[in-house]
Amino acid sequence: AQTVTQSQPEMSVQEAETVTLSCTYDTSESDYYLFWYKQPPSRQMILVIRQEAYKQQNATENRFSVNFQKAAKSFSLKISDSQLGDAAMYFCAYRGYGGSQGNLIFGKGTKLSVKP
Amino acid sequence: EPEVTQTPSHQVTQMGQEVILRCVPISNHLYFYWYRQILGQKVEFLVSFYNNEISEKSEIFDDQFSVERPDGSNFTLKIRSTKLEDSAMYFCASKGDSLYGYTFGSGTRLTVV
Repeated sequence: AQTVTQSQPEMSVQEAETVTLSCTYDTSESDYYLFWYKQPPSRQMILVIRQEAYKQQNATENRFSVNFQKAAKSFSLKISDSQLGDAAMYFCAYRGYGGSQGNLIFGKGTKLSVKP
Repeated sequence: EPEVTQTPSHQVTQMGQEVILRCVPISNHLYFYWYRQILGQKVEFLVSFYNNEISEKSEIFDDQFSVERPDGSNFTLKIRSTKLEDSAMYFCASKGDSLYGYTFGSGTRLTVV
């Protein structure tokens, strides 16, 4: 069975600085998707960024980028120029590639605080 | 932008009572999901629903749970006889044809007393 591990329950960053959130996963599949979701106090899970395992190039979305190390099964999220609005819970998630249905497997989350 | 709507946002119920959590998925989505998040724990998959039937369920989704899409727009999760350990945030999600286009609702916080 696939598992997702986030080893940092809480992280803190100064506004405008850079922070990296860690995620590792375990799977025997060769094709899959990885995601980072943000859950602000409003509670809605918002997709931050996704990575297809077959792509070697790391995904980037504005200030958010990932460091995807397939062999190491590592998928970290880097937030550059942190803003107060980035404060939230961040969840790493995995989805197998097969079929359209597929459910997401989440890690326990990392609570990010941003200090002004 | 289309949203997944969940009601109520917070529900308190007595142990042993039945509860129904409601979700309105995005109208052209085909796949529907329920997840739960016990306070301080990770988000856990409960069940997926496609073509008017359950396509996959986790071991958490036992006989106390059921889902249905009664009218083609709402997607409901029923817990037949609530236990204290059912207290959690319940998230609904829906997805279209893409492999990764999940949209989540804001959740229902269920408190069983």
